[in-house]
Amino acid sequence: DGGITQSPKYLFRKEGQNVTLSCEQNLNHDAMYWYRQDPGQGLRLIYYSQIVNDFQKGDIAEGYSVSREKKESFPLTVTSAQKNPTAFYLCASSAGTGGSSAQHFGDGTRLSIL
Amino acid sequence: AQSVTQPDIHITVSEGASLELRCNYSYGATPYLFWYVQSPGQGLQLLLKYFSGDTLVQGIKGFEAEFKRSQSSFNLRKPSVHWSDAAEYFCAVGGYNNNDMRFGAGTRLTVKP
Repeated sequence: DGGITQSPKYLFRKEGQNVTLSCEQNLNHDAMYWYRQDPGQGLRLIYYSQIVNDFQKGDIAEGYSVSREKKESFPLTVTSAQKNPTAFYLCASSAGTGGSSAQHFGDGTRLSIL
Repeated sequence: AQSVTQPDIHITVSEGASLELRCNYSYGATPYLFWYVQSPGQGLQLLLKYFSGDTLVQGIKGFEAEFKRSQSSFNLRKPSVHWSDAAEYFCAVGGYNNNDMRFGAGTRLTVKP
């Protein structure tokens, strides 16, 4: 079945450490997204990519970095500059880049500080 | 920029009762509207979407939503709730580009036996 796979499901970060969250999709979608979800809040966009080798900052990109070397992969690195990284991270993809394209989500990665 | 408000943080209904979750949006043009459901520890699943045409849209799992332009609302309804419907529900509005999608803060649904 086609879908989005995020790994790991749980991740722990030490102070000063960078960690990378994996996101892979086999839906052949052009666009991919990373969201952060905090309790009681909606989803906030971190980064998005509409095509391979191109990505743009979202609303809360500070302390995060991404790459898009392959169409199916869009890893997110949470750097040591992100001072409050504890959250649930969701990766999504969509077939198109217009506002009418529904986004499909992975099952998320929960990141915590050790 | 568009925005979404879900006025109810938490709703409790009895199994078999009807359900209505409220969603109000702000957008200058005809919006693209979505409802998603999230079970604990999982991602979001699309329930239904509205782009244009018939203002009553049907979705999966027996859900429907009605777009009311005059009230800037897109409320989600289900005639008879099942215990498995307990989850968090998110309303979202899409802008011109998909990276402009804005999500509400969510409504948590509890179903009483």
